[in-house]
Amino acid sequence: RKEVEQDPGPFNVPEGATVAFNCTYSNSASQSFFWYRQDCRKEPKLLMSVYSSGNEDGRFTAQLNRASQYISLLIRDSKLSDSATYLCVVNMGGTALIFGKGTTLSVSS
Amino acid sequence: DAGVIQSPRHEVTEMGQEVTLRCKPISGHNSLFWYRQTMMRGLELLIYFNNNVPIDDSGMPEDRFSAKMPNASFSTLKIQPSEPRDSAVYFCASSLEFYEQFFGPGTRLTVL
Repeated sequence: RKEVEQDPGPFNVPEGATVAFNCTYSNSASQSFFWYRQDCRKEPKLLMSVYSSGNEDGRFTAQLNRASQYISLLIRDSKLSDSATYLCVVNMGGTALIFGKGTTLSVSS
Repeated sequence: DAGVIQSPRHEVTEMGQEVTLRCKPISGHNSLFWYRQTMMRGLELLIYFNNNVPIDDSGMPEDRFSAKMPNASFSTLKIQPSEPRDSAVYFCASSLEFYEQFFGPGTRLTVL
């Protein structure tokens, strides 16, 4: 079983739509969680950390369910500029991160 | 402030040749990571250093790959001899301890 699994998509949505991405991780000892964003032919960049209580940053909401080992990202009111690949990332302690393969989002007008 | 700097940005070489990728981390960061990204396997951690010391190289695919960090401002990833299956984008990232990792722009390697 892969350590971090994501639905690769692609998710094709119109502008203004709400879209949700899910991610599961295999190691229950995982300590911290993140969503990174990667634009086409660019490097990954941190979008947001994911906290147990859930957290929101503008149109983006991240949730963590430790019991189910499940992380989600919700994007409301999608913009064309949200088109990218979203990487679910888990830290199992120490400084190394484990990346999922990513979910591709395409927002169209 | 400069971000993570990688060179070269693109490298095309022939099978059997030696390839050296270079990385300059963000000043003040004490952790450095080398990743490889392909469509099939996604982003894979190859090796990481903390305070210039290699901590975990379990992701290095085989002995053809080696990495060094002679000082806090420079690291290299070497492939010798290179093979077509090494073709990928190689990213270097740096961080301060356990905080956010900042990625360089990557080196796109093609081995013919």
